[in-house]
Amino acid sequence: EAQVTQNPRYLITVTGKKLTVTCSQNMNHEYMSWYRQDPGLGLRQIYYSMNVEVTDKGDVPEGYKVSRKEKRNFPLILESPSPNQTSLYFCASSFGWHQNTEAFFGQGTRLTVV
Amino acid sequence: AQTVTQSQPEMSVQEAETVTLSCTYDTSENNYYLFWYKQPPSRQMILVIRQEAYKQQNATENRFSVNFQKAAKSFSLKISDSQLGDTAMYFCAFMKRSGNTGKLIFGQGTTLQVKP
Repeated sequence: EAQVTQNPRYLITVTGKKLTVTCSQNMNHEYMSWYRQDPGLGLRQIYYSMNVEVTDKGDVPEGYKVSRKEKRNFPLILESPSPNQTSLYFCASSFGWHQNTEAFFGQGTRLTVV
Repeated sequence: AQTVTQSQPEMSVQEAETVTLSCTYDTSENNYYLFWYKQPPSRQMILVIRQEAYKQQNATENRFSVNFQKAAKSFSLKISDSQLGDTAMYFCAFMKRSGNTGKLIFGQGTTLQVKP
């Protein structure tokens, strides 16, 4: 089954404790992105990757890191989480611009930083 | 920069009736895609319908259709014969075609409740 898998789905952590949210896709997509969803703001892009070892900042990158060592995986790293990073996070993947542009989303990760 | 605006935070409709969700956007691009995504309580993001800007014909998917007005930069979603399972948050989204990086720009969302 074609899918984007995120883990964990729920996470409660304390300020400053490093964490990683994993994302994996099995559709051989070139493009992958991370978004955060906040009430009244919709979804905003944090980071994106257009291929292995190619990553760039989205609209709200502060406090986050990513890596793309393999095509299928795109983890989101919070080195020192703060309460303002409490949010709902989504990973998404799609083919490159020359192919079908439909984005597939993971199930979401609800992160609470206390 | 592109922006997407959904001016209706919440809407409700009676089962079997028709409802229209509004979306406007701002861009200087000529070629782009527009999408409506549904987010039910399960949080899963589900693609409802897609419109390519160079196509004049409005997209339809079963009970879902759009009214795409390129000059007015308007992209509304019409849901006919509303069902209880349509209860969800709906997001309008924009993606540019030229220099595409896979980035979607979302509106604020509209919460739709279908009442029995």
